[in-house]
Amino acid sequence: GQQLNQSPQSMFIQEGEDVSMNCTSSSIFNTWLWYKQDPGEGPVLLIALYKAGELTSNGRLTAQFGITRKDSFLNISASIPSDVGIYFCAGLVLGGSNYKLTFGKGTLLTVNP
Amino acid sequence: EADIYQTPRYLVIGTGKKITLECSQTMGHDKMYWYQQDPGMELHLIHYSYGVNSTEKGDLSSESTVSRIRTEHFPLTLESARPSHTSQYLCASGAGYTQYFGPGTRLTVL
Repeated sequence: GQQLNQSPQSMFIQEGEDVSMNCTSSSIFNTWLWYKQDPGEGPVLLIALYKAGELTSNGRLTAQFGITRKDSFLNISASIPSDVGIYFCAGLVLGGSNYKLTFGKGTLLTVNP
Repeated sequence: EADIYQTPRYLVIGTGKKITLECSQTMGHDKMYWYQQDPGMELHLIHYSYGVNSTEKGDLSSESTVSRIRTEHFPLTLESARPSHTSQYLCASGAGYTQYFGPGTRLTVL
């Protein structure tokens, strides 16, 4: 199947710092989604991106759909302890199986108060 | 955002038992999905459905089966559970490209 490379695999930061993570692929995507998962819970949708170059914010979160359509990044500003969790990117490959998302392996974020 | 429910949240059973994991959504979404996820690991699609009486196997082979008799309901069944089935099972639904997840069922097979 299609591969999504998500990095970094894990991050340890201090409260108040900004965070950046990204996903890249060799395939072209027409949708990028970012999810956050707390332990023992299901992933929660943070931001959805549908157009190349699109930049969308949700509170302290900002995500962008790369111009090449092969990448996306998620930024978190002024991190707080409740930002702790696993962040997944997911995408829909252009021309791929309709509605089946490809997921990255996740970025584990730890925030030290 | 979808309202999607999964029961039970936690299940501990013995080997050989038949189990059904329930998933329901109240948003009228035509597309529903089941994923398997080990703790802290990536999600693997095991089943999906694009509408009533439509079910397909996902990218990860699974011994489980699913049915879609009603739009809002997408149960997953294991006829004979084994320790290798121990995992978290996540149900999701969506009307377009975006998927919304339920809270998951943590299954432990002894």
